[in-house]
Amino acid sequence: EDKVVQSPLSLVVHEGDTVTLNCSYEVTNFRSLLWYKQEKKAPTFLFMLTSSGIEKKSGRLSSILDKKELFSILNITATQTGDSAIYLCAVDLPGTYKYIFGTGTRLKVLA
Amino acid sequence: NAGVTQTPKFRILKIGQSMTLQCTQDMNHNYMYWYRQDPGMGLKLIYYSVGAGITDKGEVPNGYNVSRSTTEDFPLRLELAAPSQTSVYFCASSFGGTTEAFFGQGTRLTVV
Repeated sequence: EDKVVQSPLSLVVHEGDTVTLNCSYEVTNFRSLLWYKQEKKAPTFLFMLTSSGIEKKSGRLSSILDKKELFSILNITATQTGDSAIYLCAVDLPGTYKYIFGTGTRLKVLA
Repeated sequence: NAGVTQTPKFRILKIGQSMTLQCTQDMNHNYMYWYRQDPGMGLKLIYYSVGAGITDKGEVPNGYNVSRSTTEDFPLRLELAAPSQTSVYFCASSFGGTTEAFFGQGTRLTVV
């Protein structure tokens, strides 16, 4: 069964800490893996990764994909309270236009 | 730009009632999706559409129906509401099938 597993399920850190969120998947031959941030309402797009080993960066956030080992990580450095959110990872199913989402990692950053 | 607009934002239904969740997008996207998100869980795909007149089932389609008569609109119909359908429903659209999706603000539905 196609599956996306995120870890940890939840995490509490203090401002200034660095966090690493994990996404592993049991989907072969996928085309892309996406990271989203969900605050109170709709998920908002962070990154799309299609190639192994190439890091995507946006400010304090970065992400990398390892297609051979079937995982991706999302790093957040110098965390701020505004980073508190659920971080979702999604992988597209080969031959379809469907994405499977993981259960998300709930991050809380304390001041 | 409005992006993806969902209505209503909140709704309470009694068991056995029906309703339609509306979704419209103004980005001329071909791909549209309906997801549900239960507390503490990720998003589960209910139905999706790759263009006007074309729809297909996702992971959890039972109890729902969709139609796609125009590019802009993708309503989700709940027939005979059940407590198990209590959830937050998100509509999303994307330009291509493997590009980022833009989400609406969600509809919080409670079935009592």
